Amino acid sequence: DAGVIQSPRHEVTEMGQEVTLRCKPISGHNSLFWYRQTMMRGLELLIYFNNNVPIDDSGMPEDRFSAKMPNASFSTLKIQPSEPRDSAVYFCASRATGNQPQHFGDGTRLSIL
Amino acid sequence: AQSVTQPDIHITVSEGASLELRCNYSYGATPYLFWYVQSPGQGLQLLLKYFSGDTLVQGIKGFEAEFKRSQSSFNLRKPSVHWSDAAEYFCAVGASNYQLIWGAGTKLIIKP
Repeated sequence: DAGVIQSPRHEVTEMGQEVTLRCKPISGHNSLFWYRQTMMRGLELLIYFNNNVPIDDSGMPEDRFSAKMPNASFSTLKIQPSEPRDSAVYFCASRATGNQPQHFGDGTRLSIL
Repeated sequence: AQSVTQPDIHITVSEGASLELRCNYSYGATPYLFWYVQSPGQGLQLLLKYFSGDTLVQGIKGFEAEFKRSQSSFNLRKPSVHWSDAAEYFCAVGASNYQLIWGAGTKLIIKP
């Protein structure tokens, strides 16, 4: 089975530009998570979707960040405008049900110059 | 407050030696516990999980972990490490039906 697929793997862009990160969860999983990982703060949960509905977005840093899940097989995380402090590795994870483990994609390494 | 502590930031082990990575948690209810491994440039891969039942849990890649409620611990072990085990290891506790509380990670270095 294919795992969680994220694209792009790497993104380098200048501050002020819009950045869109993409995620395809594992088929049949009904929960999706976006995380950010930095050396300073470790893994931070940004937003959690259940059945395509955002349930908890309290981790989204500010209004520059937005996430959508238009259907069960696709989600995006958008940063507009981007800032250097947004540089991090962004992970998407999906989960089947309840307390089943989360399965992670390989991440997008984002560098904002 | 709910928390997960991995007291060792780095651990260095000789190839072939045994390994134990420590994880202590603070959580009011019966926890769901996980160990993940992250190789450089990769995502987090599930090694093993504990939900209930047998407190000694077997995982992938020859790893096991033991849940000790009295010590609030869920330590990860491997009898003989391989160079390919060099990675960062994360312990996590399921704090709700979706939240995971993550430890800060332990970086494992393998000496040849």
